[in-house]
Amino acid sequence: DIQMTQSPSSVSASVGDRVTLTCRASQDISNRLAWYQQKPGKAPELLIYAASSLQSGVPSRFSGSGSGTDFTLTISGLQPEDFATYYCQQANSFPLTFGGGTKVEIK
Amino acid sequence: EVHLVESGGGLVQPGGSLRLSCAASGFNFNTYEMNWVRQAPGKGLEWLSYISGAGLSIYYADSVKGRFTISRDNAKNSVYLQMNSLRADDTAVYYCARTAPDWFAPWGQGTLVTVSS
Repeated sequence: DIQMTQSPSSVSASVGDRVTLTCRASQDISNRLAWYQQKPGKAPELLIYAASSLQSGVPSRFSGSGSGTDFTLTISGLQPEDFATYYCQQANSFPLTFGGGTKVEIK
Repeated sequence: EVHLVESGGGLVQPGGSLRLSCAASGFNFNTYEMNWVRQAPGKGLEWLSYISGAGLSIYYADSVKGRFTISRDNAKNSVYLQMNSLRADDTAVYYCARTAPDWFAPWGQGTLVTVSS
């Protein structure tokens, strides 16, 4: 099984900050990676797919990069509605797996 | 608008069974793969099962293999998760999610399953 490791597990940031979240796969997954945002009590929502493609309707301050085993999600200019938990997920092979999540908190 | 609505959650005793349903609307259901994903209280996301559009290809996570069964009825635009031999650690919010084409979008609102005596 492919293990997905996210770091940090939590980060404190202020509105307007640039935040970078990291996701590492235990083996090469090419660009078969997605990022999701989850707010408390809500279902996750797709932000980024294929490592760097922005899902329709997602603000352009979100961007993704990486390939192989190392990936990043960057939020450029953090907004109040961005405080949430972010998960990465690999779609390279079954079983599909998620990272443990990174919680972005208000400083 | 694409919409997924789960139902069937509730309180069940350890060893019991439950059948979850997910009703889809707003898209050509039989051309899309579907999944079940769960989230234990305060924990992360765990993928459970996948079914192809025609129902011919199915995968499970090891944690539920042999206990849970995914199925679909394309005439009813619905996907199901039959859960048997439930344990306390199956307590979670269960989500259905469409695969489009390889990523989960959208997700339903979730249904809570509590396994407790």
